[in-house]
Amino acid sequence: AQTVTQSQPEMSVQEAETVTLSCTYDTSESDYYLFWYKQPPSRQMILVIRQEAYKQQNATENRFSVNFQKAAKSFSLKISDSQLGDAAMYFCALHSGGGADGLTFGKGTHLIIQP
Amino acid sequence: NAGVTQTPKFRVLKTGQSMTLLCAQDMNHEYMYWYRQDPGMGLRLIHYSVGEGTTAKGEVPDGYNVSRLKKQNFLLGLESAAPSQTSVYFCASRAGGPWETQYFGPGTRLLVL
Repeated sequence: AQTVTQSQPEMSVQEAETVTLSCTYDTSESDYYLFWYKQPPSRQMILVIRQEAYKQQNATENRFSVNFQKAAKSFSLKISDSQLGDAAMYFCALHSGGGADGLTFGKGTHLIIQP
Repeated sequence: NAGVTQTPKFRVLKTGQSMTLLCAQDMNHEYMYWYRQDPGMGLRLIHYSVGEGTTAKGEVPDGYNVSRLKKQNFLLGLESAAPSQTSVYFCASRAGGPWETQYFGPGTRLLVL
């Protein structure tokens, strides 16, 4: 079975500062994909960034970047220049080759942006 | 292009009643999924489909059935609702390989009394 763990139920950051959200995962598969999804109060799930396990280079999407440490099975999300619109629940998710086709999600981190 | 839509948005059921949640996507995606989200939890996979006419069990399939008679629709059925099925249900779809984005619907909030 695969698992995703987010150890920070809530994080708070000042507007314009940088924050890092943690995620660790476990899978026995060598072929897998990692994702960060954002869920604002509207409940809509929005893809923030993705990482293929076979790629060593960390993914970057504008102000969002990841620190992918494959040996440590760690996949953290860094948000630079935090904006009020970044306030949301953030979910780390894993898709691996074995078992059911679908995403395994962590429990989420509630990100608060202080103005 | 509406993306992924879900019907209804909110529903209240009594224990033992049945209902069907409808998910529709207009992106010609092969893969479709049903997840549930409970307070303090991430989303958990209920059932999924890798193409028209196919369905498979996910992590928490008990008490639910699904059908995918048309490529664009994925139905989730509750034959005899239980309070433990009170949740927010999300449908998602994906075009191709697992690296591709799953697009989510807006969710259906279900309350079982």
